[in-house]
Amino acid sequence: EAQVTQNPRYLITVTGKKLTVTCSQNMNHEYMSWYRQDPGLGLRQIYYSMNVEVTDKGDVPEGYKVSRKEKRNFPLILESPSPNQTSLYFCASGPGTGDGEQYFGPGTRLTVT
Amino acid sequence: DQQVKQNSPSLSVQEGRISILNCDYTNSMFDYFLWYKKYPAEGPTFLISISSIKDKNEDGRFTVFLNKSAKHLSLHIVPSQPGDSAVYFCAASYTGNQFYFGTGTSLTVIP
Repeated sequence: EAQVTQNPRYLITVTGKKLTVTCSQNMNHEYMSWYRQDPGLGLRQIYYSMNVEVTDKGDVPEGYKVSRKEKRNFPLILESPSPNQTSLYFCASGPGTGDGEQYFGPGTRLTVT
Repeated sequence: DQQVKQNSPSLSVQEGRISILNCDYTNSMFDYFLWYKKYPAEGPTFLISISSIKDKNEDGRFTVFLNKSAKHLSLHIVPSQPGDSAVYFCAASYTGNQFYFGTGTSLTVIP
């Protein structure tokens, strides 16, 4: 089944404790991206990757890191999480054909206390 | 500053009638516009897109209209069905890499 998987689905952590949210896709997509969804703000793009070893900042990259060492994986790293990073996070992948179609994962709900 | 805006947080429509969801944008450089549908506890799913060189795209019950001069797009769902009840996000892209989403409109289709 074609899908984007994210782990963990739920995470509660404390300020400053480094964490990684994994994202994997099995569709051989070149394009991958991370978003956060917050009430009243919709989805905002954090980082995206056009291919292996090629990443770039989205609209709200501060406090996040990403890497793309393999085509199928695109982990999101929070080196020192803060309460304002409490949010619902979505990973997405797409064929990169220019029309913007993306397939989203189920989401990771992160709470930073 | 929100580059893509959905000014109606919610919309209720009778089953069988037309649902019209609206979206406005500010950046004239956007070259693709998309609609996504989202159910609770799931990720958004792609619905339909339109290139900036077109003014209409249709896929079954879903039609997207683009008015570039007004920087406005709309999604028409005809006929509306109870299973269409979800949150609909409008999105815009340039370069096919950077995406900007609206805040969503919650559609309720009443049986």
